[in-house]
Amino acid sequence: QQQVKQSPQSLIVQKGGISIINCAYENTAFDYFPWYQQFPGKGPALLIAIRPDVSEKKEGRFTISFNKSAKQFSLHIMDSQPGDSATYFCAARVADTGRRALTFGSGTRLQVQP
Amino acid sequence: EAGVTQFPSHSVIEKGQTVTLRCDPISGHDNLYWYRRVMGKEIKFLLHFVKESKQDESGMPNNRFLAERTGGTYSTLKVQPAELEDSGVYFCASSRRGDEQFFGPGTRLTVL
Repeated sequence: QQQVKQSPQSLIVQKGGISIINCAYENTAFDYFPWYQQFPGKGPALLIAIRPDVSEKKEGRFTISFNKSAKQFSLHIMDSQPGDSATYFCAARVADTGRRALTFGSGTRLQVQP
Repeated sequence: EAGVTQFPSHSVIEKGQTVTLRCDPISGHDNLYWYRRVMGKEIKFLLHFVKESKQDESGMPNNRFLAERTGGTYSTLKVQPAELEDSGVYFCASSRRGDEQFFGPGTRLTVL
């Protein structure tokens, strides 16, 4: 049973376009929602994260939109660039100071065409 | 600051053999995590160390997997005996407290 469902599995966007990746979760105990970016041969790296007390967080060209009632969150990449081509993972973590395990989505392979 | 390092980067073994993966966390990071990604699927949590103690091992699939972190520095993950379904990429991550987890490049394990 996958606790965080991510879509689409792959995405092709033209340079300058908007990339949108969606995630949905079931566990209402999740209170921290990070997005990770992974380039080939590298480990995932934290891109941006949000907590459920806000509906949107923006850092440069990257924005997380969060809908607590729908239990959904999404990553928007504005003005997508070829250098953004990577695999993106959404994740979530429960509100438990002892448990720090991240629950990941299955990943989205983004390709930005020049 | 050096990042999380993992060794080896790739390992190919026969079913039934033993493999030991190593992770060196970022210096000063008490928290160390192991995750695994099986082909094309989600990255799954295996376990979490705080210093040398296992804080959470709820993700360990079975008793063929043994993780250690003697002295609270580097960690090893041993698979014995390896099965075909153990193939995947094993990631290690570390964090100073419970905040951002920094991931290593992973070890790609192939069991034939």
